[in-house]
Amino acid sequence: DTGVSQDPRHKITKRGQNVTFRCDPISEHNRLYWYRQTLGQGPEFLTYFQNEAQLEKSRLLSDRFSAERPKGSFSTLEIQRTEQGDSAMYLCASSPSPWTSSSGANVLTFGAGSRLTVL
Amino acid sequence: DAKTTQPTSMDCAEGRAANLPCNHSTISGNEYVYWYRQIHSQGPQYIIHGLKNNETNEMASLIITEDRKSSTLILPHATLRDTAVYYCIVRAFIIQGAQKLVFGQGTRLTINP
Repeated sequence: DTGVSQDPRHKITKRGQNVTFRCDPISEHNRLYWYRQTLGQGPEFLTYFQNEAQLEKSRLLSDRFSAERPKGSFSTLEIQRTEQGDSAMYLCASSPSPWTSSSGANVLTFGAGSRLTVL
Repeated sequence: DAKTTQPTSMDCAEGRAANLPCNHSTISGNEYVYWYRQIHSQGPQYIIHGLKNNETNEMASLIITEDRKSSTLILPHATLRDTAVYYCIVRAFIIQGAQKLVFGQGTRLTINP
């Protein structure tokens, strides 16, 4: 198990372009999360999948953002018509079903993140 | 979720114990205390969690006061690699729905040689 993988690690794009990030969670984890982190701030929740179903989206996720997890394994986060305000670190995390947790707590494992710079 | 308060920054000498405090005076009975840390340019890393008993693992110890209104994360022998931002998060255990951890500003811990 190599943990949560994110690709690309860095992306520089021009305003108005579309970008897509990929996340490969830990294989046995059925829950997947996307967070966004701007400089000097803690990560902020964007959206959550249980298997292939997107069950919750934050108000931070505007209509230019779309996330998918088509087969309940990897996930993609696409940003259309990027704006400079989209510059941030996009973090993916996964967790097992809480029924499998021996301690009863839901612990997230994060990837290293994909850093987006919009010029 | 209960709000947490942490010092903005702390320093500790290498080899000494680092004690990071967290106040969570409005914590509810079913809320756990989680600690994560984030080393520069990496994603957050889970450290430890607890409900009411003190906990210890290979990374750290968590001391929760009897009234549960505050806790302390202890790194027993800090190394330079422990330099990071440490987040204290309070969250109820949930079965259904997203585990939306709410990260504050955290404590920036610097370990000095």
